[in-house]
Amino acid sequence: EAQVTQNPRYLITVTGKKLTVTCSQNMNHEYMSWYRQDPGLGLRQIYYSMNVEVTDKGDVPEGYKVSRKEKRNFPLILESPSPNQTSLYFCASSFSSEGAAGELFFGEGSRLTVL
Amino acid sequence: SQQGEEDPQALSIQEGENATMNCSYKTSINNLQWYRQNSGRGLVHLILIRSNEREKHSGRLRVTLDTSKKSSSLLITASRAADTASYFCATEGVGNTDKLIFGTGTRLQVFP
Repeated sequence: EAQVTQNPRYLITVTGKKLTVTCSQNMNHEYMSWYRQDPGLGLRQIYYSMNVEVTDKGDVPEGYKVSRKEKRNFPLILESPSPNQTSLYFCASSFSSEGAAGELFFGEGSRLTVL
Repeated sequence: SQQGEEDPQALSIQEGENATMNCSYKTSINNLQWYRQNSGRGLVHLILIRSNEREKHSGRLRVTLDTSKKSSSLLITASRAADTASYFCATEGVGNTDKLIFGTGTRLQVFP
């Protein structure tokens, strides 16, 4: 089954404790992206990747890191989480080699709470 | 930078009625997409309309695009309780294929 898998789905952590949210897709998509969703603000892009070893900042990259060492994986790293990073996070991928030009496939989301 | 703004923010209707949601955007686009999100779940792609298209259908969904007004509408006909969800428009800007910019969404509640 074609899917984007995120882990963990739910996480409560404390300020400053490094964490990684994993994202994996099995559709051989070149484009992958991370979004955060907050009430009243919609979805905002954090980082994206056009292909292996190619990543770039989105609209709200501060406090986040990403890497793309393999085509299928695109982990989101919070080196020192802070309470303002409490949010619902989504990973998405797209077949289009030109970026997000086509349909985005989303994971089920990772709800992160930073105390 | 928010491109799409949906209207209304919330909509409540009875089963069998039609639901219309509108999206306005600010800059020229290559395409506009509509997504659906069940509460707390991932977004699911519904339909994509390109800038040179004016109308598109998919099952009970009808999307229109007016590039002169920078607006789009999503019509769900003969709604069902299972259509209860949030609906988002997303735009890909001209010369900016690196991202889709999402609006804040319309929450649709369909009562049985």
